[in-house]
Amino acid sequence: KNQVEQSPQSLIILEGKNCTLQCNYTVSPFSNLRWYKQDTGRGPVSLTIMTFSENTKSNGRYTATLDADTKQSSLHITASQLSDSASYICVVSALQYGNKLVFGAGTILRVKS
Amino acid sequence: EAQVTQNPRYLITVTGKKLTVTCSQNMNHEYMSWYRQDPGLGLRQIYYSMNVEVTDKGDVPEGYKVSRKEKRNFPLILESPSPNQTSLYFCASSLSPGQGGDQPQHFGDGTRLSIL
Repeated sequence: KNQVEQSPQSLIILEGKNCTLQCNYTVSPFSNLRWYKQDTGRGPVSLTIMTFSENTKSNGRYTATLDADTKQSSLHITASQLSDSASYICVVSALQYGNKLVFGAGTILRVKS
Repeated sequence: EAQVTQNPRYLITVTGKKLTVTCSQNMNHEYMSWYRQDPGLGLRQIYYSMNVEVTDKGDVPEGYKVSRKEKRNFPLILESPSPNQTSLYFCASSLSPGQGGDQPQHFGDGTRLSIL
C-alpha cells in the first residue's frame, strides 16, 4: 500500500470554479509535506512546502492545508483557470528514512471552459 | 535562468544497447536525483547523490548506474536496457544536502525512453 494516497484520481471542473484535492499519508514521522504541479510533458514544479508544525500555506490561488493529527492534507484551488489543468502531486518527507521523499500518484485535474 | 536540463528528451532504442541520459543543473545544487514515472504510480527514486562522488541507491536502482564526477552533472546509465525500463525519467536537484530539507526540488522536463 502506498504511503501517500491521493484522491480523486482525476477531476473535471468548469473554469472559475473552486476545487479541493486530498492527500492522506501514513508516513510518520515526517519533516515536511509538499504539493507539486506537473503540466503535461513537463517536470513537476513546487507549489507549497509545509513543515509538520504548519497547518496552512498559500501560493496565489493555491492553498494547502495540513492536519498532522489525522495525517491529511488538501490543496484548494480558487477560481480555477484553464492553465490549472495538470497533475497535482503530494509528497511527504519521511524523517525516519533520512528525509526520503515519498510521492503520491497524483490527481489529474482538467479545467474546461 | 535556473534550470535542470536533460538530454535526450525522447529516445527509442533496442534491448541491450547501452544508453546514457545526461542531466545538468546550473544552480550549484549539492543534491541531485533520478526518478522514473510510470502510469498510476508515483515518482520512484532510482539513485540520488548528496554531492560530488557521493551516490546512493533509491527505491528502484536495478538495471541503472549513475556517476557524479562534477557538481553540475549527474548522468543516468542503462548498461543493458530492457523493455521494463520503458518509462518517463526525471532528474531533479535541490540546495539542501538532505532530501527532505525545506528547499524545493527543481525538476528537468523529462526524458521519455522506449526500449523495444
